[in-house]
Amino acid sequence: KAGVTQTPRYLIKTRGQQVTLSCSPISGHRSVSWYQQTPGQGLQFLFEYFSETQRNKGNFPGRFSGRQFSNSRSEMNVSTLELGDSALYLCASSLAQGLSYEQYFGPGTRLTVT
Amino acid sequence: AQTVTQSQPEMSVQEAETVTLSCTYDTSESNYYLFWYKQPPSRQMILVIRQEAYKQQNATENRFSVNFQKAAKSFSLKISDSQLGDTAMYFCAFPLESNSGYALNFGKGTSLLVTP
Repeated sequence: KAGVTQTPRYLIKTRGQQVTLSCSPISGHRSVSWYQQTPGQGLQFLFEYFSETQRNKGNFPGRFSGRQFSNSRSEMNVSTLELGDSALYLCASSLAQGLSYEQYFGPGTRLTVT
Repeated sequence: AQTVTQSQPEMSVQEAETVTLSCTYDTSESNYYLFWYKQPPSRQMILVIRQEAYKQQNATENRFSVNFQKAAKSFSLKISDSQLGDTAMYFCAFPLESNSGYALNFGKGTSLLVTP
């Protein structure tokens, strides 16, 4: 099976702009989670989607939003970019069955805000 | 509050030696999974090993094994016969509290350097 894919891999934006990142989960995986990774804060959970519904949301401002499509692909959007949004954004998918929380990660999108 | 703590920001080990990375957590749940993930310089997060809390037997995957102490809420990772390719950040992870979904809470990570 193909792994989790994320596009684009690298992105440079300026403050005030908005950005959309895309994630395609492993075939058959219904849950998609997004994480932000920075040197200072480590890995922080953004949100999780299952069957097009957001089930969990981390402690991030409303500028961060996401959605999931019927084919389980997910997008996250960040509006009014700030310098502090520069980070590696990781997407992970899960089979979402029983108590098995193991997640499989994509390669990430490196976002740089200037 | 649920926490995952990795108290060793950096560690170093020589090739072929054994190293143990520590992780402690706090939860009120009785049945759960715990995970160790590896993130090499490529930044690709890789699942190393998982432990089911209701199983007393410690999980093992080749050179990787865990020492799971449920009462002490401790979940350490032992890497035997360390290889240069084991150089990476290692994260301990635990399901989010009151989680209606499948998201994980990660520790701050331990940077492991394997030297020749």
